[in-house]
Amino acid sequence: GENVEQHPSTLSVQEGDSAVIKCTYSDSASNYFPWYKQELGKRPQLIIDIRSNVGEKKDQRIAVTLNKTAKHFSLHITETQPEDSAVYFCAAGPGAGSYQLTFGKGTKLSVIP
Amino acid sequence: ETGVTQTPRHLVMGMTNKKSLKCEQHLGHNAMYWYKQSAKKPLELMFVYSLEERVENNSVPSRFSPECPNSSHLFLHLHTLQPEDSALYLCASSQSEGYTEAFFGQGTRLTVV
Repeated sequence: GENVEQHPSTLSVQEGDSAVIKCTYSDSASNYFPWYKQELGKRPQLIIDIRSNVGEKKDQRIAVTLNKTAKHFSLHITETQPEDSAVYFCAAGPGAGSYQLTFGKGTKLSVIP
Repeated sequence: ETGVTQTPRHLVMGMTNKKSLKCEQHLGHNAMYWYKQSAKKPLELMFVYSLEERVENNSVPSRFSPECPNSSHLFLHLHTLQPEDSALYLCASSQSEGYTEAFFGQGTRLTVV
């Protein structure tokens, strides 16, 4: 099955700096790569996603890049703000013969004012 | 509100109890999911239902029993749980299985004593 590794597990940045979170996956059949943000005590919510036919996607301060050859994808947040503080999860899937999205372990991002 | 509602929000149960978690989605989606979120672990997919039919079961112990009476409702029946089953149980729905945005409910915080 799919295996998703996410790094780092924690990340602290100064307000205004950029943050980068990286994920690798194992199943070359995976073709959908979403990123979810989960604030403390709240539900995970999709912030951006990318599909295998696209190498990069941007939405205001958030961007995601995908390298299918190397099987890795990254989340980039520019001009970070305190409200960006949360846990971010990457996911990959569905793999061959599966309906499943496999999630990474999460990155706790702290933006220091 | 994302249109996915879970009840109860919190549940404390003994190991010999039987209880049920309920999930309802008002988004017209065709797929519904149960996830388990434990501390410092990735989101673990438990069950996937597509058009009311179970399409994936990730080797979940039989003390967890899902039920999907229609495309808007999903239940997770619990019996003879163990303390290690204490976790946040998240329900999600999506337009179709695996390849589209999953909308999560707020979760049920389950504590097994």
